[in-house]
Amino acid sequence: EVQLVESGGGLVKPGGSLRLSCAASGFTFSSYSMNWVRQAPGKGLEWVSSISSSSSYIYYADSVKGRFTISRDNAKNSLYLQMNSLRAEDTAVYYCARDLLVHFDYWGQGTLVTVSS
Amino acid sequence: EIVLTQSPGTLSLSPGERATLSCRASQSVSSSYLAWYQQKPGQAPRLLIYGASSRATGIPDRFSGSGSGTDFTLTISRLEPEDFAVYYCQQYGSSPPSFTFGPGTKVDIK
Repeated sequence: EVQLVESGGGLVKPGGSLRLSCAASGFTFSSYSMNWVRQAPGKGLEWVSSISSSSSYIYYADSVKGRFTISRDNAKNSLYLQMNSLRAEDTAVYYCARDLLVHFDYWGQGTLVTVSS
Repeated sequence: EIVLTQSPGTLSLSPGERATLSCRASQSVSSSYLAWYQQKPGQAPRLLIYGASSRATGIPDRFSGSGSGTDFTLTISRLEPEDFAVYYCQQYGSSPPSFTFGPGTKVDIK
């Protein structure tokens, strides 16, 4: 059974940093591109970042470019999102999602990030 | 950048009724790149339809997708109580690679 479990969310002050993790199991993690997708409270879904299976290709939404860094450790079956210079508008539930080329077939349950003073 | 618009914003229907949800793109989208998701309160989204019309694993056949170009439709033939949720369409853009979601359609109980 495919499982994606996010962790690392919490309350952080504007300008602060946070590192999210996603632990994957039930599939060959090193064979799939992975993504972070977020959802602000009461709002819709927003794609944040994507990383290819071998980390060769990395892409970001304009809203986070230069502030967020996606990475992965295939030996640990883990996906990460380093978030710096956080803003109030980054407040959201952050989901990791497995990428089946052009859509997301499995999602974690999400971790809440709150940016507030 | 392709923008997705979904209509209606809210659809109020009764169990057993047919639901028709629309997703319109600002530019033509390859059918292969269009997907639909269902999200219930407090839960992660779930993939329903990919490639505009292919059902994901385990999705009941009352869910169907259709469309091409700029107009896509998700149809739920007979609403079950568990189908009341928010539905999002999503497209993949290749230059540069990115994913865009529509704003969602909420299907609630009339």
